[in-house]
Amino acid sequence: AQSVTQLGSHVSVSEGALVLLRCNYSSSVPPYLFWYVQYPNQGLQLLLKYTSAATLVKGINGFEAEFKKSETSFHLTKPSAHMSDAAEYFCAVRTSGGSYIPTFGRGTSLIVHP
Amino acid sequence: KAGVTQTPRYLIKTRGQQVTLSCSPISGHRSVSWYQQTPGQGLQFLFEYFSETQRNKGNFPGRFSGRQFSNSRSEMNVSTLELGDSALYLCASSLAPGTGGMEGYTFGSGTRLTVV
Repeated sequence: AQSVTQLGSHVSVSEGALVLLRCNYSSSVPPYLFWYVQYPNQGLQLLLKYTSAATLVKGINGFEAEFKKSETSFHLTKPSAHMSDAAEYFCAVRTSGGSYIPTFGRGTSLIVHP
Repeated sequence: KAGVTQTPRYLIKTRGQQVTLSCSPISGHRSVSWYQQTPGQGLQFLFEYFSETQRNKGNFPGRFSGRQFSNSRSEMNVSTLELGDSALYLCASSLAPGTGGMEGYTFGSGTRLTVV
């Protein structure tokens, strides 16, 4: 069965600092991986996705993620945090060999201090 | 292009009542999936509809049901509400079954259900 683990339910950074949100997945076949962002009282918005093309994926709002098969990771980064990045971030995985319904991580709340 | 529309945004119901939530997907999207989001369990898949047929179902009791109309709009119903059904219910739109897991979903803003 596919699963995804997001390390750290809360991450706190200062404005202008590097953002690093961690995501590890388990899958016996090549996965499809996603990062979504959820702002308060909103639904989820797709930030970026990995679908077996380039391992470094660039998304919206300056975010990017790198797929590392050897580490089964898909960490989300942004060089310089902005106050508007404060939100909940979800990693999701779908394995190509099984159910095509993605499994979501528990989410990481990003807090940005001025 | 209009986004995914969920109505109502907020709902307060009493235990034992039933509730119906509505979702209109993005124009051209024919698959609608429903998720329940709670602080304790995170995002959990309820079911997916395509061409008016349920294509996949999550691990929820039979009190949770849904349907899809010929215009791709979908409704979900929860009968005999329990306190634990209080959650944000999210609708996710995609082109066809499986594309949500390949291309990603477009989510609505959700319906916040509170059961008292």
